[in-house]
Amino acid sequence: QKEVEQNSGPLSVPEGAIASLNCTYSDRGSQSFFWYRQYSGKSPELIMFIYSNGDKEDGRFTAQLNKASQYVSLLIRDSQPSDSATYLCAVRPIQGAQKLVFGQGTRLTINP
Amino acid sequence: DVKVTQSSRYLVKRTGEKVFLECVQDMDHENMFWYRQDPGLGLRLIYFSYDVKMKEKGDIPEGYSVSREKKERFSLILESASTNQTSMYLCASSFSGQAYGYTFGSGTRLTVV
Repeated sequence: QKEVEQNSGPLSVPEGAIASLNCTYSDRGSQSFFWYRQYSGKSPELIMFIYSNGDKEDGRFTAQLNKASQYVSLLIRDSQPSDSATYLCAVRPIQGAQKLVFGQGTRLTINP
Repeated sequence: DVKVTQSSRYLVKRTGEKVFLECVQDMDHENMFWYRQDPGLGLRLIYFSYDVKMKEKGDIPEGYSVSREKKERFSLILESASTNQTSMYLCASSFSGQAYGYTFGSGTRLTVV
């Protein structure tokens, strides 16, 4: 079983709709969770961080964490073509661990 | 603007050459990482360092070594480049602590011919 799993996609969403990206993780002791966006040919950039159960909102982005079910999701409201990218979920497995464990990423396409 | 700078954006080397990839960060981060990224395989950790002169193997260290003589600089060395090391190499750095994610450099696309 992979430590961090994401549906590789592609996920196709019409412009203006809500894009929902999901990630599950295997280590129940995981402490903090990150979402990165990676445009084709570019390096990943951090867009969201969450460590408490519930929702965290930042502009059009909402991260949701459910530690009991071991999943974290990213919602993108009012999706724009510029949101088309690969989204990587990353998990810090235990407190004090310095390295993140990355999922394979979900490729998202927003259709005008 | 904080930065992680990788010395080359594109690099072409011959099989058997010794290759140096340099990474410099200006954020006073304790931790630095080297990943490679290949289609369908995602990000794979090669080596990381949590302090000057300290290093730890990641998931795929074979054929690579690293050096961290100064806090801001982390070098990846391909001892004898091979064609299966053709890849995108990404350097990242971070502070220690739960709340901190990585900042990535812009990447080096290495082709070994």
